[in-house]
Amino acid sequence: AQSVTQPDIHITVSEGASLELRCNYSYGATPYLFWYVQSPGQGLQLLLKYFSGDTLVQGIKGFEAEFKRSQSSFNLRKPSVHWSDAAEYFCAVGAGNAGNMLTFGGGTRLMVKP
Amino acid sequence: KAGVTQTPRYLIKTRGQQVTLSCSPISGHRSVSWYQQTPGQGLQFLFEYFSETQRNKGNFPGRFSGRQFSNSRSEMNVSTLELGDSALYLCASSLLRDLNRVLDTGELFFGEGSRLTVL
Repeated sequence: AQSVTQPDIHITVSEGASLELRCNYSYGATPYLFWYVQSPGQGLQLLLKYFSGDTLVQGIKGFEAEFKRSQSSFNLRKPSVHWSDAAEYFCAVGAGNAGNMLTFGGGTRLMVKP
Repeated sequence: KAGVTQTPRYLIKTRGQQVTLSCSPISGHRSVSWYQQTPGQGLQFLFEYFSETQRNKGNFPGRFSGRQFSNSRSEMNVSTLELGDSALYLCASSLLRDLNRVLDTGELFFGEGSRLTVL
């Protein structure tokens, strides 16, 4: 069975600082990996996805993520955080042939200090 | 283009009752998935429908059911409500053109959810 671990429940960064959110997955085959963001009282929005090819993927809002098979990781990064980035971030894994049945990590809540 | 619409947004029920939640996907989207979000268990997959057929089902009891109509709108039903069913129920639609297009999978557009409180 696939699983996703986000080791950091809460992270606080200063506005303008860089950000890295960690994600580790467990999956037997080539995973389909995603990062979603959820603002308070909202549904989730897809930031980026990785299926194959270049291991560094670019997403919306200036986010990027790097797939590292050897470490079973898919960490999310942003070079300079804005106050509007404060939200909860979810990493997810899918099996491709299992359609839209995703397994989500527990989430990381990001707070941004002025 | 209108997003995914879920109704009702908030509802309160008592134990033993049943509830029906509705989801209207983005126009043209044929796949609808449902997820339950709770503080303790996080986001868990309930089921996915594609062209009126249930394609996948998560590990939930039979009290949780769903269906999809010919216009892609979907409903989920929870019968004999328990306190633990209190959660945010999220619907997501996907532009999955056919079941073999794996590159379309996982790109979900979520609604704002229906928050169910069971007393």
